[in-house]
Amino acid sequence: DAGITQSPRHKVTETGTPVTLRCHQTENHRYMYWYRQDPGHGLRLIHYSYGVKDTDKGEVSDGYSVSRSKTEDFLLTLESATSSQTSVYFCAISQRGPSSGNTIYFGEGSWLTVV
Amino acid sequence: DQQVKQNSPSLSVQEGRISILNCDYTNSMFDYFLWYKKYPAEGPTFLISISSIKDKNEDGRFTVFLNKSAKHLSLHIVPSQPGDSAVYFCAASPLSNTGKLIFGQGTTLQVKP
Repeated sequence: DAGITQSPRHKVTETGTPVTLRCHQTENHRYMYWYRQDPGHGLRLIHYSYGVKDTDKGEVSDGYSVSRSKTEDFLLTLESATSSQTSVYFCAISQRGPSSGNTIYFGEGSWLTVV
Repeated sequence: DQQVKQNSPSLSVQEGRISILNCDYTNSMFDYFLWYKKYPAEGPTFLISISSIKDKNEDGRFTVFLNKSAKHLSLHIVPSQPGDSAVYFCAASPLSNTGKLIFGQGTTLQVKP
């Protein structure tokens, strides 16, 4: 298994509160990603990082921000959580961008419920 | 706008038979395609990939076929085993290698003993 740790693994929070999910890797991979998984939508990219302090938006970035101050950590923040952000969040890593011969490895997921 | 589509939400096959999972895409800039397998309460795990310069890639019981003109790829599992029961996602990456891997909605495969 790729060395990816997500925390917290489960969280219930109230609407309007800030939430931060943490992804920690021990593989020294350059790329890190945050995806969310929802029924009928599969996995959708929220934000990704291609290096320390280098980030870019994905398909569903509204309402989310990210930070990467160290190679090993990638934080996902919901500034003011809404019920539509109830989802399973997956962190992923790769040595390079997804291209021929490169593989993205996923963490085990963080279950977030916004009530 | 779903750029990668898996139109079959579920598939059920008998153990020992072939499983065929399909995936369509709309963006002609995609040049690298992957299949991931996901068990409940776990993260997706990489299964097999194919580059747009190929039309077939095989790894053991798993074979991926790519038809670029039809913008279609498929995953064949032969023979299917009960342990193959999972959700399968296809994913695609654009030529620009921007880091964006786009996933389909997933197909739930059930292999019956």
